[in-house]
Amino acid sequence: DVKVTQSSRYLVKRTGEKVFLECVQDMDHENMFWYRQDPGLGLRLIYFSYDVKMKEKGDIPEGYSVSREKKERFSLILESASTNQTSMYLCTSGTGGFYQPQHFGDGTRLSIL
Amino acid sequence: AQSVAQPEDQVNVAEGNPLTVKCTYSVSGNPYLFWYVQYPNRGLQFLLKYITGDNLVKGSYGFEAEFNKSQTSFHLKKPSALVSDSALYFCAVSHSNTGNQFYFGTGTSLTVIP
Repeated sequence: DVKVTQSSRYLVKRTGEKVFLECVQDMDHENMFWYRQDPGLGLRLIYFSYDVKMKEKGDIPEGYSVSREKKERFSLILESASTNQTSMYLCTSGTGGFYQPQHFGDGTRLSIL
Repeated sequence: AQSVAQPEDQVNVAEGNPLTVKCTYSVSGNPYLFWYVQYPNRGLQFLLKYITGDNLVKGSYGFEAEFNKSQTSFHLKKPSALVSDSALYFCAVSHSNTGNQFYFGTGTSLTVIP
């Protein structure tokens, strides 16, 4: 089974801090994605990557950046955390092809105080 | 624009009764449709997908979904609901024109009442 591991299940940070969320997958997938999940809004795509050192903006990239130095690892960075970034963050991975399902990590529930 | 809609935020059904969770989509051309389930404090788990072929697709845990092109719908169904089916359900769509992007609905919370 594919395993997508997010480094923290719960995280509490303060406004203005630089926050790193880490995601690792073990299936050599090309594609990795970061979403945030908010009640009533569903999942919104922040950034995605098709290959090492490659990144593309999703629908809501403002205030975020990403890093993919190795194929198995995709990091989401909150440059200067704000309270409106309090959310559930979900990392996914998948093979090439828009007809293949994504594999989700268990999420990081991030609170910015 | 590509999108998917789940018109019901909440669905309640009695245990043993059939359940339906609704999903409609708007994608130009042929869509690829998915259902996922999310249990509390967990990520989403894949249930089933429609790519092409038979309009009725079967997935995990006894779930199935029917693709209806004329109504642009992909409703999730199960003949007999279990209490353990209580969870949050997400419909998602992708398309050749979306690259590898998937568009998710806002989710439907299903409660199965014992």
